[in-house]
Amino acid sequence: AQSVTQLDSQVPVFEEAPVELRCNYSSSVSVYLFWYVQYPNQGLQLLLKYLSGSTLVKGINGFEAEFNKSQTSFHLRKPSVHISDTAEYFCAVSRYGGSQGNLIFGKGTKLSVKP
Amino acid sequence: ETGVTQTPRHLVMGMTNKKSLKCEQHLGHNAMYWYKQSAKKPLELMFVYNFKEQTENNSVPSRFSPECPNSSHLFLHLHTLQPEDSALYLCASSFGTASSGANVLTFGAGSRLTVL
Repeated sequence: AQSVTQLDSQVPVFEEAPVELRCNYSSSVSVYLFWYVQYPNQGLQLLLKYLSGSTLVKGINGFEAEFNKSQTSFHLRKPSVHISDTAEYFCAVSRYGGSQGNLIFGKGTKLSVKP
Repeated sequence: ETGVTQTPRHLVMGMTNKKSLKCEQHLGHNAMYWYKQSAKKPLELMFVYNFKEQTENNSVPSRFSPECPNSSHLFLHLHTLQPEDSALYLCASSFGTASSGANVLTFGAGSRLTVL
């Protein structure tokens, strides 16, 4: 079975600073990787996904993530954050060839952007 | 507005009540899901439906009873709940069936349930 670890439960940053939200996974087989964002009082929405191909994935709102197979990581980055990026971010992993029931979410990282 | 609508947004119920959560998707998706989101815990998949047929039940207690009358509607019937069942219940849908883990999920805003 696969697992996912988000190393930081909370990340405070100032507006216009860069940010990296860390995600590590473990799996004995190839995986699909996702980042979802949850704004206050809303459900989750997809930021970006890695299924195959280029290891650098660009998503919405200026976010990007890099799949690093050797380090089993899929860290999320943004070069300059805005107040509106304040939200909780979830990394998720599913097993290649597995069903949707294999999708495992991390516990989330709360990003707090301060003026 | 994501195209997945959940009602009610907030629900308070006693342990002996019976209530239902409703989810409706307007996206033409083929699979629907119920997730439970509790504080400081990862999202937990509860039930999965493909084309209105249940394909997964992740060892959910029988006090939670799902119903999927068609591909666009999903209900979660609640009865004799416990205080530890208080959580945010999220409905999601995907165009691809749940046989693939590569699906992108579209979530509703959730129903915040408080059990007294």
